[in-house]
Amino acid sequence: NAGVTQTPKFQVLKTGQSMTLQCAQDMNHNSMYWYRQDPGMGLRLIYYSASEGTTDKGEVPNGYNVSRLNKREFSLRLESAAPSQTSVYFCASRRLAGGPDTQYFGPGTRLTVL
Amino acid sequence: SQELEQSPQSLIVQEGKNLTINCTSSKTLYGLYWYKQKYGEGLIFLMMLQKGGEEKSHEKITAKLDEKKQQSSLHITASQPSHAGIYLCGALLTTSGTYKYIFGTGTRLKVLA
Repeated sequence: NAGVTQTPKFQVLKTGQSMTLQCAQDMNHNSMYWYRQDPGMGLRLIYYSASEGTTDKGEVPNGYNVSRLNKREFSLRLESAAPSQTSVYFCASRRLAGGPDTQYFGPGTRLTVL
Repeated sequence: SQELEQSPQSLIVQEGKNLTINCTSSKTLYGLYWYKQKYGEGLIFLMMLQKGGEEKSHEKITAKLDEKKQQSSLHITASQPSHAGIYLCGALLTTSGTYKYIFGTGTRLKVLA
């Protein structure tokens, strides 16, 4: 039981390049989330997926797209990276039943856009 | 402006000292979560509080939610270097009938040996 896994752990991109951040959870959770964490800003929600087949915008969706590939996987894509997207990205999944309603986080992806 | 305010932003304490971190909202919270983040790593779930007046403890960490469910405190007793890290509060609240998760900006704790 690995929990929430993210790849890659680190990435450096040039402005305009594209990339996809991968996230997978093995806890059979329905809901999954993508956040970015910036100094002094806390965690901000980019996109979320309440269940397989659905995705919705969060607080800061511009410049990103997501895909809920199946129940386990939720990917985040940067089509044309910008320096403002330099951040630490966290994926999370949420347990709603069988215990306290809480989110479990992956280890994060540190992205630098030059 | 932040919907969830955390204070202090940073804290340096001597090993063995007690400390308190606060998390405040102007809205009623439907769930209040405390996480710990070690530098450069992901968030680790510590505790969740749901009921007004609820208090939970785990080892030397105690979290409380006030009766109005708008403020929570995290108290560490006899701090140790292993307590160092960033503590974040997160909350579930509703806006126009939609539930959403929000997070505070974090409190950076350093414990001096």
